Amino acid sequence: DAKTTQPNSMESNEEEPVHLPCNHSTISGTDYIHWYRQLPSQGPEYVIHGLTSNVNNRMASLAIAEDRKSSTLILHRATLRDAAVYYCILRVPGANSKLTFGKGITLSVRP
Amino acid sequence: DADVTQTPRNRITKTGKRIMLECSQTKGHDRMYWYRQDPGLGLRLIYYSFDVKDINKGEISDGYSVSRQAQAKFSLSLESAIPNQTALYFCATSGIERGLWSETQYFGPGTRLLVL
Repeated sequence: DAKTTQPNSMESNEEEPVHLPCNHSTISGTDYIHWYRQLPSQGPEYVIHGLTSNVNNRMASLAIAEDRKSSTLILHRATLRDAAVYYCILRVPGANSKLTFGKGITLSVRP
Repeated sequence: DADVTQTPRNRITKTGKRIMLECSQTKGHDRMYWYRQDPGLGLRLIYYSFDVKDINKGEISDGYSVSRQAQAKFSLSLESAIPNQTALYFCATSGIERGLWSETQYFGPGTRLLVL
């Protein structure tokens, strides 16, 4: 399975944009890039996913490199509530696809 | 009300005891999953079920068993608990949403288990 590499941690200031990087140099053509986050004392929650084109939703934006070997999750205006562990996960769509979590990146947000 | 619920939320047990963690969902999803999370680590898949008659082992199924009693219920059992099974356990679901298959997984709040 293709793997992802993320920094261990990142700090941000409240109300500033945050760019969370993810490297996936062995990604295959059919792998989707998914992001989940886990707030303190909660289960993970879905954030966003994409294949080739950049994606936007109400929570975040996902910027995917042209060669797809890296991607960036963008929080446009960080809030204290965005402090969480963010997981970048590759998935092959299909009947038997499952989530494989790495350690993720811990985002801290300073007031 | 939460779509995915887990009971109990916290449990302390002793080595050798049998315990069951329960998961219920109101999302109408066919697929359910059990994960385990250890401190500082990501989640690891224990078992998963794609429908009531389908049960599959994940990457760390040894020492665990599951039962899919109904579409909405998926239980995880530790037949004889041991201290290294102390962890945070999460249930998740996925399935059809708005008429289309979705791979998004929805997680419960977790069960914190301590085995003494």
